[in-house]
Amino acid sequence: ETGVTQTPRHLVMGMTNKKSLKCEQHLGHNAMYWYKQSAKKPLELMFVYNFKEQTENNSVPSRFSPECPNSSHLFLHLHTLQPEDSALYLCASSQDRLIYGYTFGSGTRLTVV
Amino acid sequence: TQLLEQSPQFLSIQEGENLTVYCNSSSVFSSLQWYRQEPGEGPVLLVTVVTGGEVKKLKRLTFQFGDARKDSSLHITAAQPGDTGLYLCAGEETSGSRLTFGEGTQLTVNP
Repeated sequence: ETGVTQTPRHLVMGMTNKKSLKCEQHLGHNAMYWYKQSAKKPLELMFVYNFKEQTENNSVPSRFSPECPNSSHLFLHLHTLQPEDSALYLCASSQDRLIYGYTFGSGTRLTVV
Repeated sequence: TQLLEQSPQFLSIQEGENLTVYCNSSSVFSSLQWYRQEPGEGPVLLVTVVTGGEVKKLKRLTFQFGDARKDSSLHITAAQPGDTGLYLCAGEETSGSRLTFGEGTQLTVNP
């Protein structure tokens, strides 16, 4: 158990579906992140939340919609995705990341068909 | 965004061998972190290096931050199958706004 829990672990969805990814941390961290991990590419930062306020949107298409209702929970709402959106979506949290780095969840493996 | 290049991309060795993987950039980073990611899991932090020239040891793993804070290396002594995984370096940009990841080195240690 890493302290950051992501559900579901695997998700297969059609291009017309709407689904949500959930991330939960009870580490007391004040920052939460969504990253996309694709084969042979570096981790891509998608969104950053500090104290539940969005502080960064890294030019992510609007078919990805984040939500942070409180500092312990983070969602990623998905709709009308494309097959190239298939990837591992990682949630992370941090407190003093220069010292302690990120704590990552195990990820959601998303396949868009 | 500052870029990090990791080499080699893939490395397959026998148990007991030594290895070094590299993380390079043309830009200066205020700090650099190394993570290991196992299949089906998220990356796990191994170490953070902050000072140019800094060397940190974690059991059989030795991490070094370059003097100019543009590069880093990870050396593993007497590799074991449990060391198998994707090794990622991540640099904190000097602006302090984000962590930039490299593509990773996929290490396989065969028994």
